[in-house]
Amino acid sequence: GENVEQHPSTLSVQEGDSAVIKCTYSDSASNYFPWYKQELGKGPQLIIDIRSNVGEKKDQRIAVTLNKTAKHFSLHITETQPEDSAVYFCATADSWGKLQFGAGTQVVVTP
Amino acid sequence: NAGVTQTPKFRVLKTGQSMTLLCAQDMNHEYMYWYRQDPGMGLRLIHYSVGEGTTAKGEVPDGYNVSRLKKQNFLLGLESAAPSQTSVYFCASRRLAGGQETQYFGPGTRLLVL
Repeated sequence: GENVEQHPSTLSVQEGDSAVIKCTYSDSASNYFPWYKQELGKGPQLIIDIRSNVGEKKDQRIAVTLNKTAKHFSLHITETQPEDSAVYFCATADSWGKLQFGAGTQVVVTP
Repeated sequence: NAGVTQTPKFRVLKTGQSMTLLCAQDMNHEYMYWYRQDPGMGLRLIHYSVGEGTTAKGEVPDGYNVSRLKKQNFLLGLESAAPSQTSVYFCASRRLAGGQETQYFGPGTRLLVL
């Protein structure tokens, strides 16, 4: 099966600073790259996604970049706020929507 | 519109017991999925369904069975629970519209097998 590697596993940032999480994948058939935020005791929630025909996508303070040649994609959060503290997962999917998740990044934003 | 709901929220089983986890969605989605999440790991796909009456194996299907008799429901069964099946189980359904897709996750079922 496909392997999705995610780094770092933990990330501590000061409020207002930026956070960057990086993922690599191996399956060339992957065509959809979502990012999920999971708060304690809840299910994952989609925060942004990108398709294989797009290199970058931005939604307010969140952006995702994709380098399909190098098989890596990244999540950028700017102007971090305490409510951004959560576990973030990258994932890849094939045409059936079968998600393959990274191991997650625990983000802690300190005031 | 309740989204994706899961029943029960929490369950304790003894080794060898059986149980069924219920997932329900009211968004008329064709695709539904069952994942499990273990500590320090991302979710792993157990089984999925691309429509009523269909099911297929995911990454970690052993020890589980599923059924999709109705479009809105996706059932996950454990015939003989093992301690290795202690996990948090998440159901999801997939929305496809206008070239965009979103998977909506339920709140999870925490299962402890003793």
